[in-house]
Formats: sequence, C-alpha cells, structure tokens
Amino acid sequence: NAGVTQTPKFRILKIGQSMTLQCTQDMNHNYMYWYRQDPGMGLKLIYYSVGAGITDKGEVPNGYNVSRSTTEDFPLRLELAAPSQTSVYFCASRGLATWETQYFGPGTRLLVL
Amino acid sequence: QKEVEQDPGPLSVPEGAIVSLNCTYSNSAFQYFMWYRQYSRKGPELLMYTYSSGNKEDGRFTAQVDKSSKYISLFIRDSQPSDSATYLCAMSAGNNDMRFGAGTRLTVKP
Repeated sequence: NAGVTQTPKFRILKIGQSMTLQCTQDMNHNYMYWYRQDPGMGLKLIYYSVGAGITDKGEVPNGYNVSRSTTEDFPLRLELAAPSQTSVYFCASRGLATWETQYFGPGTRLLVL
Repeated sequence: QKEVEQDPGPLSVPEGAIVSLNCTYSNSAFQYFMWYRQYSRKGPELLMYTYSSGNKEDGRFTAQVDKSSKYISLFIRDSQPSDSATYLCAMSAGNNDMRFGAGTRLTVKP
C-alpha cells in the first residue's frame, strides 16, 4: 500500500513550456486534491475531484487544468508555465467518511525559469 | 486580512518544554479544525482534529478551539527533538475547500 505517489519529484521548466504532474493513490479514495505550497503562504487549493469524471476549481485554479478518468489518477496540467508557478505541489486524497483526514503525497518541486 | 493567520516563527525550544502554537481566523463558518505536521521535504500528515469548540487530547498533544474568539491552539507537552517540524493549522466549513495557515516551524533542541 503505497498511499499517494507523485511524479516527478523535481522539475525545471522554461517559461512557456507545459508539463503534467502525476498523482496516483491506491486507497480507493473518491476525493482527490491538488495544492500548491509557497514559502510563508501555506497550502492553497488548486483543483479537486469528488470522483472519476468530476472536477472543480479551488482557490487558485488559473494556469492549471485537471482531469480524472480513473479513481486512482488525478494529473495536474500546467500550460504555458510562468515564474509565478514556481512552487511545491502536493496531491492529496481522502475517503468518503473521513473527510478531515487528507493523505498527502511527497510533493513535486517545480522551478520555472 | 488573511482568512487564516498563523505566526510562521521560527520557534526554538529546549527538549521537555511545553510548546504552544496558535492560529486565528476570520470566517465564522469554519466548524472543523485540524493540525497537520510537516517534516522537511515531506507532505503534511494529520496530527489532530477537532469539531466546533472545545478541547481534544491525544498523548502529549492537546488541541483547543475557541470559536467565540476565532482562535485555535495546539499544545505539545514534554517536547522531543522528533517534534521538530512545521505545524500547519487547517480549517473548513465542512466542504472540500480547506484553508491552511502559513505554518509554524518548530525546532526542539536536545
């Protein structure tokens, strides 16, 4: 049982490039989340999903896209990367009954130059 | 005004000290209050959870919520070097939009 896994661990992007951050969970959780964490700013919700085929915007969705074709996977797509997207990205998941307990992945560090 | 305010520290204490971590918030709709612990270069993990006002104790950790003052606290008794981490408060109105504090970095020195 690996929990929540994220790839890659670290990536450097040039301005204007695109990439997909991968997130997979093996706990059969319906709910999945993408956050970004900036120094001194806490975690901000980007997008979330309540099940396969259903996604919704969080607090800071601009510049990102998501899809949820399976229960296990919730990739985050960055189109036209900008320096403001330099951050640490965390994926999280939770079950139906334990909404307060989100299980986080190890994070992806992204640097946009 | 930020929706959730948390002093980022850093906070340094000797081993065995009592640690007090705090957050204030402005949204009166928040009903659920959590504390997450985050070790360096790791994802956050849930430490404590409290619903509405009151206290909750789990071993060396005590969480307090005062909704009238919009103030929550986490106390760590007999602090250990292994408690050195960043502590994030989080709160929610019971939906999927959880709001986090900036985190307080704690160091417990042997």
